[in-house]
Amino acid sequence: NAGVTQTPKFRILKIGQSMTLQCAQDMNHNYMYWYRQDPGMGLKLIYYSVGAGITDKGEVPNGYNVSRSTTEDFPLRLELAAPSQTSVYFCASSYLAAISYEQYFGPGTRLTVT
Amino acid sequence: AQTVTQSQPEMSVQEAETVTLSCTYDTSESDYYLFWYKQPPSRQMILVIRQEAYKQQNATENRFSVNFQKAAKSFSLKISDSQLGDAAMYFCAYRSPREETSGSRLTFGEGTQLTVNP
Repeated sequence: NAGVTQTPKFRILKIGQSMTLQCAQDMNHNYMYWYRQDPGMGLKLIYYSVGAGITDKGEVPNGYNVSRSTTEDFPLRLELAAPSQTSVYFCASSYLAAISYEQYFGPGTRLTVT
Repeated sequence: AQTVTQSQPEMSVQEAETVTLSCTYDTSESDYYLFWYKQPPSRQMILVIRQEAYKQQNATENRFSVNFQKAAKSFSLKISDSQLGDAAMYFCAYRSPREETSGSRLTFGEGTQLTVNP
């Protein structure tokens, strides 16, 4: 299993550009999450999904959109990028029925908006 | 809303010594889950240890153990026999048991940067 994969690893955007961060998992997990981590800070939840076709906002959803058309994929869309969105973005997944309740994280995408 | 506080932005320890990282949290729930994650320079988030609030026994994983004080809402991580590879940012995280409102989300503290000196 590849686990949770994210692409790209790094990206530089100009203000006002748009992009999609890709996230995929091959563990058949029903829950998926997007977090952002600002320098020297903990992770904050942007959006999450409890299954295909179901998404909900987290703590910091403004400026982002998500979709979940399949169990495996959970892309994060940035529209009209702003410098405040410079951050490291982590995708994670978990299995609802798992006793461990562990979230598995991808390697992150470092995004710079200039 | 739950909050997680890590009051030590940085800690250092000598190799082979023991260090304790602090974490406190605020919640009105009686059942929940607590985690410590390690983030080395590679940025990968690695689960170190977990604790279910209904369990009175403190969790232990090899050199890592926790001191869970439910009444005090405290969840500290003890690293024994510290190794150079333990150097990383450590995050404390809280998870609500209420799937329908929380989606099993994690609430993270701001992290403690641990340095291990040879």
